[in-house]
Amino acid sequence: SSELTQDPAVSVALGQTVRITCQGDSLRSYYASWYQQKPGQAPVLVIYGKNNRPSGIPDRFSGSSSGNTASLTITGAQAEDEADYYCNSRDSSGNHLYVFGTGTKVTVL
Amino acid sequence: QVQLQESGPGLVKPSQTLSLTCTVSGGSISSGGYYWSWIRQHPGKGLEWIGYIYYSGSTYYNPSLKSRVTISVDTSKNQFSLKLSSVTAADTAVYYCARATLDSSRAFDIWGQGTMVTVSS
Repeated sequence: SSELTQDPAVSVALGQTVRITCQGDSLRSYYASWYQQKPGQAPVLVIYGKNNRPSGIPDRFSGSSSGNTASLTITGAQAEDEADYYCNSRDSSGNHLYVFGTGTKVTVL
Repeated sequence: QVQLQESGPGLVKPSQTLSLTCTVSGGSISSGGYYWSWIRQHPGKGLEWIGYIYYSGSTYYNPSLKSRVTISVDTSKNQFSLKLSSVTAADTAVYYCARATLDSSRAFDIWGQGTMVTVSS
């Protein structure tokens, strides 16, 4: 099955912009979805498809994709954005098989 | 709004079968339009898709777990369930139920709060 690789950790100053990347062969065929997970809580979908935000997700979250890399950008990071972020897509080998990224811990300084 | 809630034993003995149920409220599984999923997260680790089911009963499983997994649906109770057989300590994890959209994104848009399952004698 495919793998999705993310940087383990990134930090961003309050109010600044941070980009989280996700790399994998499946991303050449499928868009990534992005999830925010805070300690002790379930993941929350923040971006899906080309660049869609579910209702209630602030517009400082945006997504993009190029080749085998998907990116999640937080523009004007807030303290409450400190969390783990996971990407996810369908596996390149099958229509009904899904993979998650290794996760990125975002620290807001 | 649609909400999902997992339930089941928090402790399972090795070699036994783990059984969890997800109750859906605020919407009907029978209305279609979504896959109903199970996802797990080992302590301090990332997320692993286990499988999902459509309201019609069609199931799809992660090949790495397929030999041990059964997902079923009870539309009359608006619930779907997970059974994982022959468990070992490696199956200790937080188990989430989640809803996956049918569109091309196949995003997991709603999650339950998760339930911790420990495999230990």
